[in-house]
Amino acid sequence: DQQVKQNSPSLSVQEGRISILNCDYTNSMFDYFLWYKKYPAEGPTFLISISSIKDKNEDGRFTVFLNKSAKHLSLHIVPSQPGDSAVYFCAARGTSGTYKYIFGTGTRLKVLA
Amino acid sequence: DTGVSQDPRHKITKRGQNVTFRCDPISEHNRLYWYRQTLGQGPEFLTYFQNEAQLEKSRLLSDRFSAERPKGSFSTLEIQRTEQGDSAMYLCASSLQGGSYGYTFGSGTRLTVV
Repeated sequence: DQQVKQNSPSLSVQEGRISILNCDYTNSMFDYFLWYKKYPAEGPTFLISISSIKDKNEDGRFTVFLNKSAKHLSLHIVPSQPGDSAVYFCAARGTSGTYKYIFGTGTRLKVLA
Repeated sequence: DTGVSQDPRHKITKRGQNVTFRCDPISEHNRLYWYRQTLGQGPEFLTYFQNEAQLEKSRLLSDRFSAERPKGSFSTLEIQRTEQGDSAMYLCASSLQGGSYGYTFGSGTRLTVV
């Protein structure tokens, strides 16, 4: 039962353009969402988060949007840079006092110079 | 502080052997997590500690797996009688309090069971 889904395994974008990575979830009790970036042979690196009480959070070139009614979040990277090429994971946390996150399967982003 | 350290980086073991991995979290972080990642999948939660107390364990953590965090500092994850299906990247992460701002992950230990 995949509660957090990233349906696009890969995405290619030209340098300077916008990258949009999508994530869907099934559990309406999720209250906090994270995006991580992972380079080969390294652990995931935290990028940006959003609480379920917000619909947008911005940090520099990275913006996360949350649509609770659609159970959908997206990460926008503008402008995309070749160094952004990595695997991106979204993760969600429930409200039942747990501190574990459920991760999606990831989207491999390739930014073409 | 150099972040979350995991040792070893790579481990190759024969089926049936026991293996132990170590994680040193960021020193001021009181929460420590173990995750497992297989090829093409996202990290899957195994267990987490608040200080020395193990507060949650996944059903993925069979009785061959045991984790400890003595004195609330470093943690060890032991796998007994390894099976080929245990081959994966084992990731450790730490956070302050609720982890609402994301974990800091280590680089992981890649286990290959042959």
